[in-house]
Amino acid sequence: EVQLVESGGGVIQPGGSLRLSCAASGFTVSSNYMSWVRQAPGKGLEWVSVIYSSDSTYYADSVKGRFTISRDNSKNTVYLQMNSLGADDTAVYYCARDRDYCSGGSCYSRYFDYWGQGTLVIVSS
Amino acid sequence: SSELTQDPAVSVALGQTAKITCQGDILRSYYASWYQQKAGQAPVLVIYGKNNRPSGIPDRFSGSSSGNTASLTITGAQAEDEADYYCKSRDSSDNRHVVFAGGTKLTVL
Repeated sequence: EVQLVESGGGVIQPGGSLRLSCAASGFTVSSNYMSWVRQAPGKGLEWVSVIYSSDSTYYADSVKGRFTISRDNSKNTVYLQMNSLGADDTAVYYCARDRDYCSGGSCYSRYFDYWGQGTLVIVSS
Repeated sequence: SSELTQDPAVSVALGQTAKITCQGDILRSYYASWYQQKAGQAPVLVIYGKNNRPSGIPDRFSGSSSGNTASLTITGAQAEDEADYYCKSRDSSDNRHVVFAGGTKLTVL
């Protein structure tokens, strides 16, 4: 059974740092794309970052230069290191398995087939 | 970044058909995927690709696409379908990124 469990959220002061973890079971993170998605209170979903199976990483403009995605294959865990946090980073952070939809040799879209339960990050003084 | 737009709210009578749409130029090139999010819960994938349902998703959920518009149709809406629905696709400015639309609140009357 595929399962994703996030941890590491909490209350942090503006300008601080936090590292989120996403522990996976039922599949191997190193063979998959893994994304982080966040949701500010009462708002919609916002994609944050992805790590490819090739180790390439990509970030939304809103977090580029402040957040770093990584993984530990031995622990089957993905991380999101968040630095220089501001009030706008307050959100529930979800990790998700990120898949390619391919047909006939071409890939047409990506979809997130499994999500964790989320971890809440509150940036406040 | 690519922009995807959804109507903020849609309502449907119990047992009737609800259609939620998502518009964006990127949808001319890439399929959308659709996510259901009930209050206080994580999102759940309901439709991906051309019209694929993950295991466990009822067949009353279906997807379609035409031009710059993707649609999620719920045929015979049930009370438990009341939720927020989000479409997502690749970002046209950088297709290694993805973008979500703002979501549609579906109310089942």
